[in-house]
Amino acid sequence: SAVISQKPSRDICQRGTSLTIQCQVDSQVTMMFWYRQQPGQSLTLIATANQGSEATYESGFVIDKFPISRPNLTFSTLTVSNMSPEDSSIYLCSVAPGLHNEQFFGPGTRLTVL
Amino acid sequence: QQQVKQSPQSLIVQKGGISIINCAYENTAFDYFPWYQQFPGKGPALLIAIRPDVSEKKEGRFTISFNKSAKQFSLHIMDSQPGDSATYFCAASRTGTASKLTFGTGTRLQVTL
Repeated sequence: SAVISQKPSRDICQRGTSLTIQCQVDSQVTMMFWYRQQPGQSLTLIATANQGSEATYESGFVIDKFPISRPNLTFSTLTVSNMSPEDSSIYLCSVAPGLHNEQFFGPGTRLTVL
Repeated sequence: QQQVKQSPQSLIVQKGGISIINCAYENTAFDYFPWYQQFPGKGPALLIAIRPDVSEKKEGRFTISFNKSAKQFSLHIMDSQPGDSATYFCAASRTGTASKLTFGTGTRLQVTL
C-alpha cells in the first residue's frame, strides 16, 4: 500500500476564491488521481495527474476550473478555482502503485464554499 | 459513461448477522472489482478485491462472490459487528485504462446491537 497525506484536511472558503489542495505520497508512484465526493454521494474521477505532462480530465471537468500540477512522482496539487457553493465537496487524491490495479486513497479535503 | 449499479442504498443488520451488498456492471472489459469501506470523515479504504478468473475470494469475515455471466458481484460480511458500520462502495476498472475506477453509488451499513 501507500501512505497518503492531504493538506488542508478541511477549509471554509468564500465564493469566487480559489483553494489549492496538496497530496503527498510516501513513495514514488506512477499513477495519481483526483476524485470529488459530493455530500452523501459516490466518488467521481476528476482527472489523472500525469508526471511531467498535463493532467487528463474526465468528461465534465476542465483544466481552467481544476488545474492540476504533478511536479514529481510523490506530489500533486489540485486547485479549485473561482469557487461556488456547488463546489462544496470532499476532494480525494489516490494512487495506484502499480500492483494489480490496487488504488489507495488519501484522507480527503473537506471543502465548504459559502 | 460505464456504470456500476449498487444495491441496497442502505442496510440495517443485527450484530452477528450477514450483510450482503450487490453490484452489477455493464462493461465486459472490466477485469478488476474492488470493494472500499469508508467511515465518516475518512477516505475510502481498500477492503478486498477480485478478478474474473475466480468466482469467490475470502478474507477473514469478508467474501466477494463473482458471477461473470451475470455481470454481478457481491460483498458478504459474515458475523457483522457494530464496527463494520460504514459506507461500502463497489468499483470496477479495466486493465490498460490507467487503473481508472468506476464506483457504485454506495451502501450505508448499520450494524445494530
